[in-house]
Amino acid sequence: DQQVKQNSPSLSVQEGRISILNCDYTNSMFDYFLWYKKYPAEGPTFLISISSIKDKNEDGRFTVFLNKSAKHLSLHIVPSQPGDSAVYFCAASPYGNNRLAFGKGNQVVVIP
Amino acid sequence: DAGITQSPRHKVTETGTPVTLRCHQTENHRYMYWYRQDPGHGLRLIHYSYGVKDTDKGEVSDGYSVSRSKTEDFLLTLESATSSQTSVYFCAIRSTGGTEAFFGQGTRLTVV
Repeated sequence: DQQVKQNSPSLSVQEGRISILNCDYTNSMFDYFLWYKKYPAEGPTFLISISSIKDKNEDGRFTVFLNKSAKHLSLHIVPSQPGDSAVYFCAASPYGNNRLAFGKGNQVVVIP
Repeated sequence: DAGITQSPRHKVTETGTPVTLRCHQTENHRYMYWYRQDPGHGLRLIHYSYGVKDTDKGEVSDGYSVSRSKTEDFLLTLESATSSQTSVYFCAIRSTGGTEAFFGQGTRLTVV
């Protein structure tokens, strides 16, 4: 049973515009959320994270928003750049447990 | 880059043969994970370890076993490989109290 869900598997966006990726989770024990970026033939690399005590975290062009009541988080990339073309994974970790559960990923294509 | 190495990087094996994948870290991190990545499934946790000789099952552990006799090494064994275990396998490490997990480059395993 997928506890972390990423719908809309692919997204195409024009360079310079905003990319928005969504993630929903079902486990109310999740208290830490992360986004990873993955290029082909490479391992995933950490992008940005957010704790459940916050509702927003920003790092340069990347912002993650958390809505605990809706069990929903989103990743905003603005402005999008061609180098952002990759698969993005949402991940979550429950309180008191170091497991990391991942979603299925979203393919982002940024068109120059 | 986090000091994490997976070996081998590529392997082709026959159905029914045993296979062992190795993950080696130089970071002295407590937690180590094995994931598999398959199209349409994202990253799924196979097993993880929270210390030497301490391991636990993930969501897709059937057909796999693990061992961790030293902090730096986490081995994943397919006792009798099947075609359904053809996948890309990723190892990850995470420190105590750490936030993000760091991933290796992956091992592409093909079972014919």
